[in-house]
Amino acid sequence: EDKVVQSPLSLVVHEGDTVTLNCSYEVTNFRSLLWYKQEKKAPTFLFMLTSSGIEKKSGRLSSILDKKELFSILNITATQTGDSAVYLCAADNYGQNFVFGPGTRLSVLP
Amino acid sequence: DGGITQSPKYLFRKEGQNVTLSCEQNLNHDAMYWYRQDPGQGLRLIYYSQIVNDFQKGDIAEGYSVSREKKESFPLTVTSAQKNPTAFYLCASSATGRAVEQFFGPGTRLTVL
Repeated sequence: EDKVVQSPLSLVVHEGDTVTLNCSYEVTNFRSLLWYKQEKKAPTFLFMLTSSGIEKKSGRLSSILDKKELFSILNITATQTGDSAVYLCAADNYGQNFVFGPGTRLSVLP
Repeated sequence: DGGITQSPKYLFRKEGQNVTLSCEQNLNHDAMYWYRQDPGQGLRLIYYSQIVNDFQKGDIAEGYSVSREKKESFPLTVTSAQKNPTAFYLCASSATGRAVEQFFGPGTRLTVL
């Protein structure tokens, strides 16, 4: 059965902290790994990773994929209250569908 | 402006009534998807369609139906057979044939009274 697991499910930090969110996957025909941020509405796209070991970076956010160990991490440095959201990880099952994890709820306190 | 629209934003219905949620995209995407999201949970796939006039059941298709008569449109009907339909419904679309991200609509929050 195709599945995506995320950890932790919930995380509370203070502004300025660095956080690492984890995503492991098991899908039949893996093509890419995607990260989304969801703030009480539609998810917004953050990263798509297709190759192992190549870090993708956008401002304070970065992500990397390990296709051998079947996992990805999302790092957020110098967190701000605006980073509070649910972070979703999804595996592209080679054009069949996208399998989503349960999400990590991040709360950043001032 | 390219994007995905869903309507209505909020929908209230009485138990036992069928309701249809609209999803339209002008991104020229072949693939479209419907997800259900319950409070504090991730997205669960209801139905998806890779091409016009064809669609497949996702993980929780029971009590739902879809049609894909046009490339731009993928309406979802929540039937009276769906035991617990109150949820947030998200429609998405993507290109096919290569690794791409999904684009999401703003969602419809359905409450069954």
